[in-house]
Amino acid sequence: DAGITQSPRHKVTETGTPVTLRCHQTENHRYMYWYRQDPGHGLRLIHYSYGVKDTDKGEVSDGYSVSRSKTEDFLLTLESATSSQTSVYFCAISERTDEKLFFGSGTQLSVL
Amino acid sequence: SQQGEEDPQALSIQEGENATMNCSYKTSINNLQWYRQNSGRGLVHLILIRSNEREKHSGRLRVTLDTSKKSSSLLITASRAADTASYFCATAGGYQKVTFGIGTKLQVIP
Repeated sequence: DAGITQSPRHKVTETGTPVTLRCHQTENHRYMYWYRQDPGHGLRLIHYSYGVKDTDKGEVSDGYSVSRSKTEDFLLTLESATSSQTSVYFCAISERTDEKLFFGSGTQLSVL
Repeated sequence: SQQGEEDPQALSIQEGENATMNCSYKTSINNLQWYRQNSGRGLVHLILIRSNEREKHSGRLRVTLDTSKKSSSLLITASRAADTASYFCATAGGYQKVTFGIGTKLQVIP
């Protein structure tokens, strides 16, 4: 998966707890993205980053925050997890904003 | 909201047959991309076609783009069981980041 590592791969948590997902890349790509994938919705963009400390909201950003302190790491935080955030989360990277994306293997998150 | 919509949502064919998937989108784009996702895995980029291109080939894949109709098609020729996967179109352009459709689930029966 093109030098992208997501951790953890699976997580079960309880409603109201904070959760942080990590994406690490070794490709030195400028752009990094967090998507969530749900049946019937395809992939929807949560947040993206266009450089260190430069982030912006995507289509479904409510309830999520992100941080990028280094080129290689992009963190997604659910401040207080809800059952509606049960999903598969994918990190992706790209060299340019509208060019092809390289995806990680995903994190299956279950919020009980 | 989704920019692209794939059609059909599910497709089942015999090995050796051709598979055609269609994608329609709503706004102007810089390029359109197709991705494949095997069960339980991340998406893999297949092909990118720019707005000034009409057709592109890559191995057994053929992609067409009709910007006047805001539609694209992906043709997989001589399908194999290993082609069984979900296929997504994605559009990019303007201020919009790469936006995905809901996908077509392809089953190739050996």
